[in-house]
Amino acid sequence: NAGVTQTPKFQVLKTGQSMTLQCAQDMNHEYMSWYRQDPGMGLRLIHYSVGAGITDQGEVPNGYNVSRSTTEDFPLRLLSAAPSQTSVYFCASSLDLWAGELFFGEGSRLTVL
Amino acid sequence: GQQVMQIPQYQHVQEGEDFTTYCNSSTTLSNIQWYKQRPGGHPVFLIQLVKSGEVKKQKRLTFQFGEAKKNSSLHITATQTTDVGTYFCGAAGGTSYGKLTFGQGTILTVHP
Repeated sequence: NAGVTQTPKFQVLKTGQSMTLQCAQDMNHEYMSWYRQDPGMGLRLIHYSVGAGITDQGEVPNGYNVSRSTTEDFPLRLLSAAPSQTSVYFCASSLDLWAGELFFGEGSRLTVL
Repeated sequence: GQQVMQIPQYQHVQEGEDFTTYCNSSTTLSNIQWYKQRPGGHPVFLIQLVKSGEVKKQKRLTFQFGEAKKNSSLHITATQTTDVGTYFCGAAGGTSYGKLTFGQGTILTVHP
């Protein structure tokens, strides 16, 4: 089992560019989510999904899009990157939210110049 | 929306001293989870608390969930250098169904 796989691990973008952070899990988890981590801010929820075809906004959704066409994949799209989106991004999944234990990917460090 | 406050933000201890981090919510929670993140790593699940007044232990770690299900604590007895990292609480429930809201985290450093 690979668990939760995120790619890329590192990315540098210029302001205005778009990109997609990939997230895949092989545990047949229904719940998937994206967080960003900034110093002193903890982990802030961007978007989440409780199953294929269902997505919803978290605390900081502006500037990001998600889709969930399959159970396994939950990509995060930055439409027009801004320096404020410089952060470490974590994808996490769980069997379901109430089952506990979010499994996190190793993170993607994004820098927007 | 739901807010989760975690204190302290930083804690520096000598090896062998105890450590406690606290998590407080503005709303009643369904459950609370605790995670540890080593420097440069990703958060790793430690435990989930569900019942009012629940206390769980994992070796030197003691986790408590308040009677009103609005607060929680993590206590480490006799810290070791391997305890270094950031400890997060994640809260579910209240007005935030479907979302796990994290506290800001407590960064623990342990001096040998």
